Order: sequence, then C-alpha cells, then structure tokens
Amino acid sequence: SQTIHQWPATLVQPVGSPLSLECTVEGTSNPNLYWYRQAAGRGLQLLFYSVGIGQISSEVPQNLSASRPQDRQFILSSKKLLLSDSGFYLCAWSRRLAADNEQFFGPGTRLTVL
Amino acid sequence: AQSVTQLDSQVPVFEEAPVELRCNYSSSVSVYLFWYVQYPNQGLQLLLKYLSGSTLVKGINGFEAEFNKSQTSFHLRKPSVHISDTAEYFCAVSGEYGNKLVFGAGTILRVKS
Repeated sequence: SQTIHQWPATLVQPVGSPLSLECTVEGTSNPNLYWYRQAAGRGLQLLFYSVGIGQISSEVPQNLSASRPQDRQFILSSKKLLLSDSGFYLCAWSRRLAADNEQFFGPGTRLTVL
Repeated sequence: AQSVTQLDSQVPVFEEAPVELRCNYSSSVSVYLFWYVQYPNQGLQLLLKYLSGSTLVKGINGFEAEFNKSQTSFHLRKPSVHISDTAEYFCAVSGEYGNKLVFGAGTILRVKS
C-alpha cells in the first residue's frame, strides 16, 4: 500500500529565516506530487505541482520554491520567511496515469512564522 | 474554467439529525467529483468520488452524495450525524486542468450534543 510522509509535523520559525519542508511517498512510482497551503480561513491553495523529477509548475508567485530531487521526494523551500507564510502545508500525490486525478494527502506541517 | 462553490461556510447540526452539505460546480468538460474530509490538524481524507455510472455514490462513515448533471451539483448527505463527524468538508472537481483538482472553499460541519 502507498503511504505519504511529511516532516516536520510542526515548525516555529522567525521572520527572515530559511525553510525546508520535506514530503516522501512510498509504495508507488512516478507519482504526480503537489504542495498546498491552508492559511486560516482561506481554504486550500495549490502552490506547486510536479509530474516528474526536476519538473515543477508554480501556481502562485511568492517567495517559496519547490524541488523534486528524486521520484518520490518533494521539497518546499524558502530563503527568507514572511509572516504571511504561516499556515498548514499539505503534500499530496496522485497516480500519473489516473484519469480522475484522485489525490492522496499527507498529514501536514503546521508552520508558524513569528 | 472549472470552479467549485460550496454554498455554506459553516453548518451547525444536532447529533443524530440529518445533514446536507451543498456543492455546485462549473465545467465545460465531463467531470470527476470528490468529497474530502479534514479533521483538525490532519490531512485530507477521501470520503467518496463520482467517476461515472450510478449518480448516487456511497462513501465511508455513512456518507453519500448524488451527482446531478442538470443542476451541476454534487451534494453530500448523511441521515444521522455523530459528534465525531465534526470536521471540515471539501468538494473538488477534476477533468479540465489535466493533473489538478479544483477545490471548493470548504464547509465546517459542527455537530452539537
């Protein structure tokens, strides 16, 4: 069976500090990978998605970036965090050839920027 | 462009009462429809999905949804809710944007005793 991991589970960082959130998927190959953010009261915002190693599509211009160094690893980064980067970050995957695009979500990372 | 509208941001309901969470979508192509549930500080979990065939879809935890193509709706229902159903529920659609899902803004279901 497939599983998806995210770490850390919670993170408190000062404004201006760097960020690295990691997501890994087990039990599947060639997944599509996604990063979402939930800010308080603002629903799900798709930040990045990837259909393969090194292939990243950005949905929203911001000070965040994403990388996919391995097939089942997806990393969300920032060089300098802003207060507005606080939120709940969710990683998800879907099967590459699935027509319906059902997505499977990780447990999330709660980021607080102070 | 595809979009999803969840008509209620919050739905309060007493335990053992029925509930309906409303979802309307717009799309120029055939769609696949989903309902996800999110408990506090957790990821999203699939409740049910409509791909094709019967318009009444049954999911986990006693939930069901009905696809209505003429009304472009996919409302979620449960005949008798429990305190443990308190969570946020998201409707989503795919089909027009390749690898992506379009999510509604979410509906918070609050079950009171």
